[in-house]
This record gives sequence, C-alpha cells and structure tokens, in this order.
Amino acid sequence: RKEVEQDPGPFNVPEGATVAFNCTYSNSASQSFFWYRQDCRKEPKLLMSVYSSGNEDGRFTAQLNRASQYISLLIRDSKLSDSATYLCVVNRRQGSARQLTFGSGTQLTVLP
Amino acid sequence: DTGVSQDPRHKITKRGQNVTFRCDPISEHNRLYWYRQTLGQGPEFLTYFQNEAQLEKSRLLSDRFSAERPKGSFSTLEIQRTEQGDSAMYLCASSLEAEGAFFGQGTRLTVV
Repeated sequence: RKEVEQDPGPFNVPEGATVAFNCTYSNSASQSFFWYRQDCRKEPKLLMSVYSSGNEDGRFTAQLNRASQYISLLIRDSKLSDSATYLCVVNRRQGSARQLTFGSGTQLTVLP
Repeated sequence: DTGVSQDPRHKITKRGQNVTFRCDPISEHNRLYWYRQTLGQGPEFLTYFQNEAQLEKSRLLSDRFSAERPKGSFSTLEIQRTEQGDSAMYLCASSLEAEGAFFGQGTRLTVV
C-alpha cells in the first residue's frame, strides 16, 4: 500500500463547479500536511498547508482528519486556470529526519 | 530571483556516463530535498539534508547515486554509470522547519 493515496481522476468539471479531492495517508507519525498543484511539465508549487482545524484560502478549503488519516481539498467556483494536477503531501518525522511524501496526484480539468 | 535554482535544466547523456546536477536553495532555508519524478507519477523522495547533514536516503537511491551539501548551502546530486531507467525529472526543494517546501524548476535527464 502506498503511504499517500489519491484518486488519480481525471476530474473534468465545468467552470463554476465545486470539486473535492481526497487523500489518505498510512503513517500515523505524519506531522504536517500540504496540497501542491503541478502544471504540465512544471515543478510542484505549494498551494496551501492543511491544519487540523481546517483552513481556507479564497476559493480553496483544506481539511484534515487525523483519526481517519484523511485530507481533503475543496475548490469552489472553479476557474479554467485551476486545471492542473493536485498533489497531497505528508511530512513525516523520523528522529531528526523529515520526509515529504507525495501522492501520485489528482488531475483536474476545468471546462469552459 | 530568490527562488530555488537548479542547473542544468536539461541534460542528455549516453548510458554509462556520469552526470552531476546542482541545486541552490532559498538562502535562509536549512532543509533541502531531492526528488525524482516520472510522467504520471508524483515526486519520489530521494534524500534529505538538514544544513550539511544528510539525514535520510531513500532505498530508491542506489549506490550509483550520491548527494552532497558541503557547506549547508548548495547541493549536488551525482549519478554514476547512468542507465536508461534513470531518465526522469530531478527536482530539488528547500524549506524552513515545518513549512512546506519550495521547488526548483528541475533538471530533466534523458539517458540514451
């Protein structure tokens, strides 16, 4: 089983739709959580951190459920420019080491 | 530009040759990561430095791979005796403490 699992999609949604992505992680020692977006043939870019209390940044809302080891990202009023691959990332601590583990990503296409 | 910088952006090499990539992290970031990414997959963790100390190495990192960060600033990743399976995008990222990491644009390696 992969340490971080995501539905690969693709998700094809019309402009203005609300879309949600889910992610599960297997290592309970995971300490911090992030969503990245990656455009085709570009590097991943940090979208937002995910906090236990849930957090919002404009049209984007991230939630974390530590008990279920589950992370979500909600995009409201989707724009054409939201089309990208969304990567769920988990930061695991082992002693003094840190490892950011990525899911395989969920592909989103927003259609006009 | 104060972001993460990687050099070269592209490298084509013949099988069996050695290659070296360089990463210059964001200047105040003490953590540096190397990842490898192939098409359709999320980035795979290779190794992690905190300052000049290499604290974690993936099992993916065979003995042909070596990474250094001699003064706790820039880092190099060397691949010896390259194989066709080494063809991938090699990504470097840096971060401060528990924050999300910021990626460079990557070095795309093609082994022919």
